Amino acid sequence: KQEVTQIPAALSVPEGENLVLNCSFTDSAIYNLQWFRQDPGKGLTSLLLIQSSQREQTSGRLNASLDKSSGRSTLYIAASQPGDSATYLCAVRRGRDYKLSFGAGTTVTVRA
Amino acid sequence: KAGVTQTPRYLIKTRGQQVTLSCSPISGHRSVSWYQQTPGQGLQFLFEYFSETQRNKGNFPGRFSGRQFSNSRSEMNVSTLELGDSALYLCASSLEGTTDEQYFGPGTRLTVT
Repeated sequence: KQEVTQIPAALSVPEGENLVLNCSFTDSAIYNLQWFRQDPGKGLTSLLLIQSSQREQTSGRLNASLDKSSGRSTLYIAASQPGDSATYLCAVRRGRDYKLSFGAGTTVTVRA
Repeated sequence: KAGVTQTPRYLIKTRGQQVTLSCSPISGHRSVSWYQQTPGQGLQFLFEYFSETQRNKGNFPGRFSGRQFSNSRSEMNVSTLELGDSALYLCASSLEGTTDEQYFGPGTRLTVT
């Protein structure tokens, strides 16, 4: 069974600081890993998708890395803004089981 | 291109009743998945459909069922509602449901009283 862990559970930083969010998974036989953002009471917004053959993906201020062998992914958000306050979830797809296994998320607060 | 839509957005039901939730995927997407999100259990997989076929089902009781129509729209049904079924139900769509990106809808907030 795929276990996905996100540490820390919560993070509070001043505006402008870089954010580093961690995700670890137990089974390295994954197809891909996806990072999502969730605002309170809302659905999930896809941020980045990293295929198993890739080491990183970038989109604007966001950069995600993937190390399959160690079962880790890191999401970097540069120059954080109050609008980045949300819960960030990572999810892995393992093989042909047609489902995502989610971590519990990291709740980020960016203080103005 | 329109995103994933879910109806209704909010629902209040009484224990013992049944409920049907609907999901319309992004145009051209053939895979639809359903997830339940609760504060205690996080996001848990319910089932996935592709071309009207259920390809996987999560560890939920038989009271939870779903189906997909020929236009890829999907419905999930929960019968004999229990208080513990109160949750945010999220639907996701993708082209094929394997290595492609998953897009989620806004969810249906179900409250069982």
